[in-house]
Amino acid sequence: KQEVTQIPAALSVPEGENLVLNCSFTDSAIYNLQWFRQDPGKGLTSLLLIQSSQREQTSGRLNASLDKSSGRSTLYIAASQPGDSATYLCATGGTASKLTFGTGTRLQVTL
Amino acid sequence: DAGVIQSPRHEVTEMGQEVTLRCKPISGHNSLFWYRQTMMRGLELLIYFNNNVPIDDSGMPEDRFSAKMPNASFSTLKIQPSEPRDSAVYFCASSFGRRNTEAFFGQGTRLTVV
Repeated sequence: KQEVTQIPAALSVPEGENLVLNCSFTDSAIYNLQWFRQDPGKGLTSLLLIQSSQREQTSGRLNASLDKSSGRSTLYIAASQPGDSATYLCATGGTASKLTFGTGTRLQVTL
Repeated sequence: DAGVIQSPRHEVTEMGQEVTLRCKPISGHNSLFWYRQTMMRGLELLIYFNNNVPIDDSGMPEDRFSAKMPNASFSTLKIQPSEPRDSAVYFCASSFGRRNTEAFFGQGTRLTVV
């Protein structure tokens, strides 16, 4: 059974800092890995999708990498802003597009 | 497209009552998922439909839960009878295809059973 772990559980950084969120998974037989953002009381917004054959994906200030063999993914956020404050979730995509979610990293970017 | 639409956004009901949650997936998507989010267990997949057919319902907690997808544009998740431990946020998500595709989530239904 796939287990997804995210470290740290919570993170507070000053505005402007670059930061890295970590995601690890136990079963490397995945089809893809997806990073989501969740604001309090809201749904999940898809940020980046990395296919199993890819190493990384970029969108604006966000860069996600995937190392299937070691069971790891990282989400890099450049020049963080207060608007980036949210919970970030990673999820591995298995058969039939089923997602297994990590417990998330709660990010606070302070002024 | 308006995205995945769920209703109601909030539901408060008394224990023992029937609850029906509704979902309209993104037009053209052929896979639909129901997830439940709690503080203790995070996000868990309840059931998955492909082309309106239930493919995997192994995550449905017990017989009190049932889900239907009568057509490509509508799905329901029903709890009967509801219990306080069912209180959670229920998310619906849709995607196109069966693998390697991006999932899009609705805003969720926050269910409180008192």
